Amino acid sequence: DTGVSQDPRHKITKRGQNVTFRCDPISEHNRLYWYRQTLGQGPEFLTYFQNEAQLEKSRLLSDRFSAERPKGSFSTLEIQRTEQGDSAMYLCASSSIQGGVRETQYFGPGTRLLVL
Amino acid sequence: GDSVTQMEGPVTLSEEAFLTINCTYTATGYPSLFWYVQYPGEGLQLLLKATKADDKGSNKGFEATYRKETTSFHLEKGSVQVSDSAVYFCALSDPVNNAGNMLTFGGGTRLMVKP
Repeated sequence: DTGVSQDPRHKITKRGQNVTFRCDPISEHNRLYWYRQTLGQGPEFLTYFQNEAQLEKSRLLSDRFSAERPKGSFSTLEIQRTEQGDSAMYLCASSSIQGGVRETQYFGPGTRLLVL
Repeated sequence: GDSVTQMEGPVTLSEEAFLTINCTYTATGYPSLFWYVQYPGEGLQLLLKATKADDKGSNKGFEATYRKETTSFHLEKGSVQVSDSAVYFCALSDPVNNAGNMLTFGGGTRLMVKP
């Protein structure tokens, strides 16, 4: 396993611009999660996929946010019309439900977004 | 809803000191409990986990015991090293009451170990 990878690692953008992040999970992990972590806080759940289906979205995920996992492999998280409040670390994690109900999530290195 | 409470940091210790980071949780179901560690500028790494009462998770000299009676999962290490300096997060997932099994995190505790 090469682990969960995320791209880019850092992104600086101006308010109002759109940004897109990519996450590549551990191969054959069927669940993929997105979390957001603001400075000095613990991560907060945003959304998750099982295979290509997006099964749950947090209330934190405003309509400016959209996530996809088109073939059940990598996922993208897009933020439209970015705001300064979107500045955070965006973390991706993956897990295998075949491991049983009590599976473990493995995290990527994160994408740090700064909105100016 | 589910929640996790950790002791606030920073915790500053000298090398070889004993470490305890307190974590308590509230959950309606029967959660799994985790400790993750985050080094500067990096994502979260799983440190240890426990899935049922009285289980002890351990890794790299760190230990934590799932105490259902006190709803706690305190992290301990007998002798810390400078390389242990990081932020530690306690987390839970509740697969019985939440099919998505998403993690609920505490606020994190920063550990600083001085030589």
